Amino acid sequence: GAVVSQHPSRVICKSGTSVKIECRSLDFQATTMFWYRQFPKQSLMLMATSNEGSKATYEQGVEKDKFLINHASLTLSTLTVTSAHPEDSSFYICSATGGRPEAFFGQGTRLTVV
Amino acid sequence: GENVEQHPSTLSVQEGDSAVIKCTYSDSASNYFPWYKQELGKGPQLIIDIRSNVGEKKDQRIAVTLNKTAKHFSLHITETQPEDSAVYFCAASPSSGNTGKLIFGQGTTLQVKP
Repeated sequence: GAVVSQHPSRVICKSGTSVKIECRSLDFQATTMFWYRQFPKQSLMLMATSNEGSKATYEQGVEKDKFLINHASLTLSTLTVTSAHPEDSSFYICSATGGRPEAFFGQGTRLTVV
Repeated sequence: GENVEQHPSTLSVQEGDSAVIKCTYSDSASNYFPWYKQELGKGPQLIIDIRSNVGEKKDQRIAVTLNKTAKHFSLHITETQPEDSAVYFCAASPSSGNTGKLIFGQGTTLQVKP
């Protein structure tokens, strides 16, 4: 399968600061990338969809000003959690697709806000 | 919108036995159904998928069946091994959404006892 790399794998930040998470497709051009959030022992909840060169589409209930998504190239999308608070602590996962139904996931980022 | 229900939430089997996980979906227009395996602290890994024009697909010890009329699909793992222990997620891709957009089931924690 295709390779999607997500960085960092773990990050701890202070409350009120911002954190950027990168998602890269290493061996294919990702026309669309998706960002998910996963709480312990729960399923993946779609946060937003980003298409290269376009504004991201956010799911209902997701604050677009808190979770800034940029998809500037066909191989890179970034998620910035702004003014992070402890309730933003979670496992964030990206996926990427190259115009086919198959979606490939990154390794995930464990965010802890203290 | 699409809704995916997955059962059971936990499944424990003896090594060598078979395991079956079932999912139902609500949107009859959904046309792609992947299964993912997620190990602790990692991103989901695509293990098998099936499209709506196929009733069954097999890959070594793993098989997926799809019943479009009943709107349900199942994952079958034969000759289970301890390394099969993980959380398994089914998903459905709404045809009206972006390619690669997935709605996930709640997940099944599979434990294979040696």
